[in-house]
Amino acid sequence: QKEVEQNSGPLSVPEGAIASLNCTYSDRVSQSFFWYRQYSGKSPELIMSIYSNGDKEDGRFTAQLNKASQYVSLLIRDSQPSDSATYLCAVANAGNNRKLIWGLGTSLAVNP
Amino acid sequence: GAVVSQHPSRVICKSGTSVKIECRSLDFQATTMFWYRQFPKQSLMLMATSNEGSKATYEQGVEKDKFLINHASLTLSTLTVTSAHPEDSSFYICSARTGAPYEQYFGPGTRLTVT
Repeated sequence: QKEVEQNSGPLSVPEGAIASLNCTYSDRVSQSFFWYRQYSGKSPELIMSIYSNGDKEDGRFTAQLNKASQYVSLLIRDSQPSDSATYLCAVANAGNNRKLIWGLGTSLAVNP
Repeated sequence: GAVVSQHPSRVICKSGTSVKIECRSLDFQATTMFWYRQFPKQSLMLMATSNEGSKATYEQGVEKDKFLINHASLTLSTLTVTSAHPEDSSFYICSARTGAPYEQYFGPGTRLTVT
């Protein structure tokens, strides 16, 4: 059973702090890694995608991938109350029609 | 870019009727679209994978005769919930996948209530 695991949280950080979200996956042949944000009652929104080991930065977001350790993380710098949401980690490989395997999500609360 | 629309956003129907939900990729062509269902405070559940011009692939436990999927063009997929019952009430979300790097973008979802 291919799995993607996330700490369900809630993760609570003060406004302006760095929020660190982690995700581990079991399928070693995974090739594509995604972070989505989902506000309550809304559909997921793609924040970051990463395919190679190392860091990828986009504005206040940094995704980090370590294939040897099979984990991917998302850092949110200067966290804002509007970042409060559930963050979903998703993983795909080249087979199986590139379906996404989803984690259950980490709930983030940024406190003003 | 990568905008996906979904219509309707909300629908209420009577038990036994059918409901069609449309999913469109507005600024890219999507050979593959996906249909998900999400119950309150639960995770996304993939229902089926829809490939343009071919039959959809359904996940285990999803009734293909109840949830009819048509992907007739590179920008449009439809999901029809046939003979809807109250237990079909849920949040239905589609996604469309780009070519390489194969990112999935989600529509805003359709909230279905069956009375």
